[in-house]
Amino acid sequence: AQKITQTQPGMFVQEKEAVTLDCTYDTSDPSYGLFWYKQPSSGEMIFLIYQGSYDQQNATEGRYSLNFQKARKSANLVISASQLGDSAMYFCAMREGDNYGQNFVFGPGTRLSVLP
Amino acid sequence: EAGVAQSPRYKIIEKRQSVAFWCNPISGHATLYWYQQILGQGPKLLIQFQNNGVVDDSQLPKDRFSAERLKGVDSTLKIQPAKLEDSAVYLCASSLVSPLAIATGELFFGEGSRLTVL
Repeated sequence: AQKITQTQPGMFVQEKEAVTLDCTYDTSDPSYGLFWYKQPSSGEMIFLIYQGSYDQQNATEGRYSLNFQKARKSANLVISASQLGDSAMYFCAMREGDNYGQNFVFGPGTRLSVLP
Repeated sequence: EAGVAQSPRYKIIEKRQSVAFWCNPISGHATLYWYQQILGQGPKLLIQFQNNGVVDDSQLPKDRFSAERLKGVDSTLKIQPAKLEDSAVYLCASSLVSPLAIATGELFFGEGSRLTVL
């Protein structure tokens, strides 16, 4: 079974608008971490934001925020005020277990295109 | 701080030939991962090392892929013989692991090695 599901293969957003990229996950481990990575066309993987399973508040990093709904097992990425440079592939990932270098799996990704 | 180093960046070989990729993780990072990323897909874990021991190699096609991490630092991934479907980017990543650390444990990636099998 897929541990990370990203149901939007592609998304379009107008420059300066906000966009939400969906991610649902599946785990029975009470301790886990959720991550979002950005991969521009250059191919590098850029870490954006992290949410721990025990964190009470949603994570935020600049224009990025994570809408964490634990009961629904969703961890959607919200990008506010989109910029042309945000056009890229976005991957949701999960690390199960504590911080002992446990299993780290990625979803299939969503390609975001920001329109001028 | 130096990042994750990988080489070569690009490699073109014919099917049935062999190829090796090298990765040097960030200093002090105990965990090292090799991922295969086929064009348009998410990274797929091939093998995970903790120091010089294998944590997970369940998705490594062991009849043709092998990997080692001697001395718990740099690592080599080998493919022999290569097939057409091995064309992909091979990503190496490392992470800092500690029960006492407040780090998130995010993965730090190298630039990847792009393999084309003809």
